[in-house]
Amino acid sequence: DMKVTQMPRYLIKRMGENVLLECGQDMSHETMYWYRQDPGLGLQLIYISYDVDSNSEGDIPKGYRVSRKKREHFSLILDSAKTNQTSVYFCASSSDWGGNYAEQFFGPGTRLTVL
Amino acid sequence: QQNVQQSPESLIVPEGARTSLNCTFSDSASQYFWWYRQHSGKAPKALMSIFSNGEKEEGRFTIHLNKASLHFSLHIRDSQPSDSALYLCAVSDTGGADRLTFGKGTQLIIQP
Repeated sequence: DMKVTQMPRYLIKRMGENVLLECGQDMSHETMYWYRQDPGLGLQLIYISYDVDSNSEGDIPKGYRVSRKKREHFSLILDSAKTNQTSVYFCASSSDWGGNYAEQFFGPGTRLTVL
Repeated sequence: QQNVQQSPESLIVPEGARTSLNCTFSDSASQYFWWYRQHSGKAPKALMSIFSNGEKEEGRFTIHLNKASLHFSLHIRDSQPSDSALYLCAVSDTGGADRLTFGKGTQLIIQP
């Protein structure tokens, strides 16, 4: 069963605390993504990872960093969280094997609140 | 940088009607065009894609792509209440299929 998982699903942190969001996929996809979604702004790409230790900045990388040490696992880290990082964070994965032209499969999301 | 715009922002249509959603993009070299659907509180899920000019139909859903006009659209016939969702269009960046720029979305409500 093809699946992208995210942990935790809900998280409340205080400003200045560190945050770790985790994502896993069981499809052996090479490419993984972190997005944030805010009302009226659509999905904004934070980071993209093309494989283990091969990460690139997306459109809004400031204040975030990522880690990918295994193909099936991709982490998003917020060092010293800020209130404007309150959002819903989605992880996704994709592969262009089999000609599906990199359809992205999304996880269920993590709702992060920074107080 | 790719600029993707969707219209309208929101739309209410009666059950059984035909619905049209629009998306414009700025990079004429873009190659891959997607519609994703996101039900309330759920993850976005790919609905349809198109990679060459023209039309593609899957069931009640049809995509039109006109690269010269920098425009593509999603048409839903016989709209159902279960079609109520946020519809996101997405366009690939030049040079690769895997990096997409998403529009801000159209919130579609189908009234029974």
